[in-house]
Amino acid sequence: DIQMTQSPSSLSASVGDRVTITCRASQKISSYLNWYQQKPGKAPKVLIYAASSLQSGVPSRFSGSGSGTDFTLTISNLQPEDSASYYCQQSYSTPWTFGQGTKVEIK
Amino acid sequence: EVQLVESGGGLVQPGRSLRLSCAASGFTFDDYAMHWVRQAPGKGLEWVSSISWNSYSIGYADSVEGRFTISRDNADNSLYLQMTSLRPEDTAFYYCAKEGDTSRDFDYWGQGTLVTVSS
Repeated sequence: DIQMTQSPSSLSASVGDRVTITCRASQKISSYLNWYQQKPGKAPKVLIYAASSLQSGVPSRFSGSGSGTDFTLTISNLQPEDSASYYCQQSYSTPWTFGQGTKVEIK
Repeated sequence: EVQLVESGGGLVQPGRSLRLSCAASGFTFDDYAMHWVRQAPGKGLEWVSSISWNSYSIGYADSVEGRFTISRDNADNSLYLQMTSLRPEDTAFYYCAKEGDTSRDFDYWGQGTLVTVSS
């Protein structure tokens, strides 16, 4: 199974800050990497698919990069509504696996 | 508008069975693979099972292999998860999710249904 390791597990940042979350795969997964946002009591929502493609309707302050084993989700100009947990997920091979999540808190 | 609505969750004793359903609308159901993903309360996301558009390709997480069965009814736009020999560690919110067009991401999710396995 491909292991996905996210860091950090949590962070606290101020409105307007630039935030970076990293995700590392235990083996190469090309660009089969997706990012999800989950708010408390809600289902996850896809933000970025194929490592760097922005899902329709998602604000452009969200961006993704990387390929192979190392990936990054960046939130530029952090907003209060970005307070949530973020998960990476590989869709290169089954079983599909998720990172353990990163909780983003607004100071 | 794509909608996925799960049902069938509840409290069940260890060793018993439960069947989850997911009613899909707003897209051509039989064009897409579908998935079940679960989340134990306060924990992360775990993929459970997937089924191709024509039911020919099915996969399970090791944690549920041999106990859970995924199926779909394309005529009825419905996805199912038959869960048997339930264990306390199966307690979770269960989400059905539609697979995306290109990257095999989960582009739409239902609201989830809670399964609690406890005596």
